[in-house]
Amino acid sequence: SQLAEENLWALSVHEGESVTVNCSYKTSITALQWYRQKSGEGPAQLILIRSNEREKRNGRLRATLDTSSQSSSLSITATRCEDTAVYFCATGGSNAKLTFGKGTKLSVKS
Amino acid sequence: DPKIIQKPKYLVAVTGSEKILICEQYLGHNAMYWYRQSAKKPLEFMFSYSYQKLMDNQTASSRFQPQSSKKNHLDLQITALKPDDSATYFCASSQDRQNTLYFGAGTRLSVL
Repeated sequence: SQLAEENLWALSVHEGESVTVNCSYKTSITALQWYRQKSGEGPAQLILIRSNEREKRNGRLRATLDTSSQSSSLSITATRCEDTAVYFCATGGSNAKLTFGKGTKLSVKS
Repeated sequence: DPKIIQKPKYLVAVTGSEKILICEQYLGHNAMYWYRQSAKKPLEFMFSYSYQKLMDNQTASSRFQPQSSKKNHLDLQITALKPDDSATYFCASSQDRQNTLYFGAGTRLSVL
């Protein structure tokens, strides 16, 4: 099975700083996704990066993928308080059966 | 306006009882899913439906039964509830079983 796992349980930064969340996975993948879950909400997709891509951007977000080391990172620049959330990486099989990591809790303080 | 509606938002049940979790999506998607998130485990896939047909079932127990009365509905019936069933249940949808899922806000179930 494709197991995805974030490397840190929690991170804390001040507004305006940059932060990176890392993820490692097992076995080969076709794509890796990053989701964000704010308190009281369901997860929301941020970026989907395919196995033939090395980098993908979405506004202040940048995801990288290294298939040789089976790892991915999500960087957020100029963080805002509203970026406070749990960030998950997820790998997908057929039927959108995603395997999520446990998540990294990011706190952005003003 | 939320595009995926889950009802109720909170649910308290006694052990042994039965509950139905409601999910409706207004994204025009033809695939719907249930995921579960508990304090002990990461977000876990439970079921996937496409055009109202069951495509995948990762739930070991038959106590969990999805019900799809309409294309945009996928309810989850849980019978003989146990305290270990306590979790937040998320409904999600996607277009044609693509990997981008859209999640509802969840139903938080507590079984006493």
